[in-house]
Amino acid sequence: DVKVTQSSRYLVKRTGEKVFLECVQDMDHENMFWYRQDPGLGLRLIYFSYDVKMKEKGDIPEGYSVSREKKERFSLILESASTNQTSMYLCASSLPRAPYTGELFFGEGSRLTVL
Amino acid sequence: KNQVEQSPQSLIILEGKNCTLQCNYTVSPFSNLRWYKQDTGRGPVSLTIMTFSENTKSNGRYTATLDADTKQSSLHITASQLSDSASYICVVTPRSNDYKLSFGAGTTVTVRA
Repeated sequence: DVKVTQSSRYLVKRTGEKVFLECVQDMDHENMFWYRQDPGLGLRLIYFSYDVKMKEKGDIPEGYSVSREKKERFSLILESASTNQTSMYLCASSLPRAPYTGELFFGEGSRLTVL
Repeated sequence: KNQVEQSPQSLIILEGKNCTLQCNYTVSPFSNLRWYKQDTGRGPVSLTIMTFSENTKSNGRYTATLDADTKQSSLHITASQLSDSASYICVVTPRSNDYKLSFGAGTTVTVRA
């Protein structure tokens, strides 16, 4: 089974702090994604990566950056956390080739609270 | 405007009863439509996948249907169990960009004994 592991399940940070969210997958998937999930909204794509050192902006990249130095690891960075970044963050991975396109394997999520 | 709308937002059913969740989408053309189940505090897990040419797909007590003409999908849960309590999310993969999926906001199902 695919396993996607997010390093922290719960974090509490202060406004202005730098925050790192780590994600590791063990199935050699090319694609990795970071989403945020807020009540009443669908998952929103922050950034994705289709290869090592490659990254593409999603729909809401402002205030975030990412790093993918190794195929299995994709990190989300909040340079200066703000209260409106309080959310559940979900990491996912997938294979790029049909018929697998679109099947995401998610981590357990990281619930971030910014005070 | 969200390209994937789900209804109802939430529902409560008694154990053993059936229920149907709805998904209306405007994404076109699309490659596939998936239903995910998300337990509280966990990441979503794929339940079913249908390509644009398929009408129905089953996974145990879960049956998904797709009407590409009306751009509607439904997820039917048969003989509900307490473990079916979760959020169910409809996700559409656009053919133009299979990295940028369209997610519904989900339907929260609560099964009561």
